[in-house]
Amino acid sequence: NAGVMQNPRHLVRRRGQEARLRCSPMKGHSHVYWYRQLPEEGLKFMVYLQKENIIDESGMPKERFSAEFPKEGPSILRIQQVVRGDSAAYFCASSPSDRDIQYFGAGTRLSVL
Amino acid sequence: AQRVTQPEKLLSVFKGAPVELKCNYSYSGSPELFWYVQYSRQRLQLLLRHISRESIKGFTADLNKGETSFHLKKPFAQEEDSAMYYCALTGGGADGLTFGKGTHLIIQP
Repeated sequence: NAGVMQNPRHLVRRRGQEARLRCSPMKGHSHVYWYRQLPEEGLKFMVYLQKENIIDESGMPKERFSAEFPKEGPSILRIQQVVRGDSAAYFCASSPSDRDIQYFGAGTRLSVL
Repeated sequence: AQRVTQPEKLLSVFKGAPVELKCNYSYSGSPELFWYVQYSRQRLQLLLRHISRESIKGFTADLNKGETSFHLKKPFAQEEDSAMYYCALTGGGADGLTFGKGTHLIIQP
């Protein structure tokens, strides 16, 4: 089992561009969580998805951020019109059920110039 | 609002000395508590969870509901224990984890 795969590992964008972060959960896992880690901070929950459904998006910024987990393919975290404050490490985690251990990916480090 | 506090940003101890990483939480209900660890150049991984009541790599943590604490302890530190340690909680249902800011543990030879 390859574990939770995130790509790209590093992403550089200029202000105003779009960023797309991908997360492939572990085999057999249908629950995906996205977290953001700002410098010197802990991980902050953003959104929880199951296949084709957003279950909890209470941690998502109201504008410019969206997430999906389609029936086929990876989960995508999309940030439109990026600003410098979006620079952070974005982590994805997956679990086989909603009350199970979350397994983390290596993260995507987004840098906005 | 739920919150996890790790008061020590950095903790340095000598090899063989006891280690205690502090974690306090606030949550209106019965949370589930975890310790996650991130070794250098590795991904975040679960170290232990309070409901398992097990010892992993010599580490233990006891949930103290009266003091709302979940401190991580090890009687004799080893150099390979050097890492970032994060305390986290969840409401036990279908929600994300709330993390503390982490403690960087350095074990000196």
